[in-house]
Amino acid sequence: EVQLVESGGGLVQPGGSLRLSCAASGFSFSSHWMHWVRQAPGKGLVWVSRISSDGTTTNYADSVSGRFTISRDNAKNTLYLQMNGLRAEDTAIYYCVRLEQGWGQGTLVTVSS
Amino acid sequence: EIVLTQSPDTLSLSPGERATLSCRASQNLDHKYLAWHQQKSGQAPRLLIYGASNRATGIPDRFSGSGSGSDFTLTISRLDPEDSAVYYCQQYNGLPLSFGGGTKVEIK
Repeated sequence: EVQLVESGGGLVQPGGSLRLSCAASGFSFSSHWMHWVRQAPGKGLVWVSRISSDGTTTNYADSVSGRFTISRDNAKNTLYLQMNGLRAEDTAIYYCVRLEQGWGQGTLVTVSS
Repeated sequence: EIVLTQSPDTLSLSPGERATLSCRASQNLDHKYLAWHQQKSGQAPRLLIYGASNRATGIPDRFSGSGSGSDFTLTISRLDPEDSAVYYCQQYNGLPLSFGGGTKVEIK
């Protein structure tokens, strides 16, 4: 069974940093591109970033480019999202996603003073 | 950027009725890279359909997807009370990946 389990969310002040993790199991993690998608409270789904199976190619939404960094450790079957320069508008549930397979349960990031 | 427009915003139907949800893309999706997701209140989204018409693992066959080009449809053949949710379409044909605004399905 495919499982994606996010962690690392929490309350952070504006301008602060946070690193999210997504532990993957039940499939060959190193063979698949992975994505982060977020959802602000009461709002719709927004794509954030993706990374190739070997980690050499990354892409970002304009809203996070230059502040967020996606990475992965295929030996640990784990996906990461390093978030720097956080803003109030980054407040959201962050989901780890493998396209055509499924979603994690999400981790809540709150940016507030 | 590919913009996805979903309609209607809300659908209110009775159990056993047929639901038809529409998703229109601002440009053709060359390889049918279109997915549908279901999100129940307070839960993470769940993948229903990928590749426009392929059901994800464990999804009942009363959910079906169709369409090509820029017009896609999710059909729920016989509504069940547990189908009450917001349904999102998503394109993964081009960057940035994008989602529609969602259709809320209410069961009377």
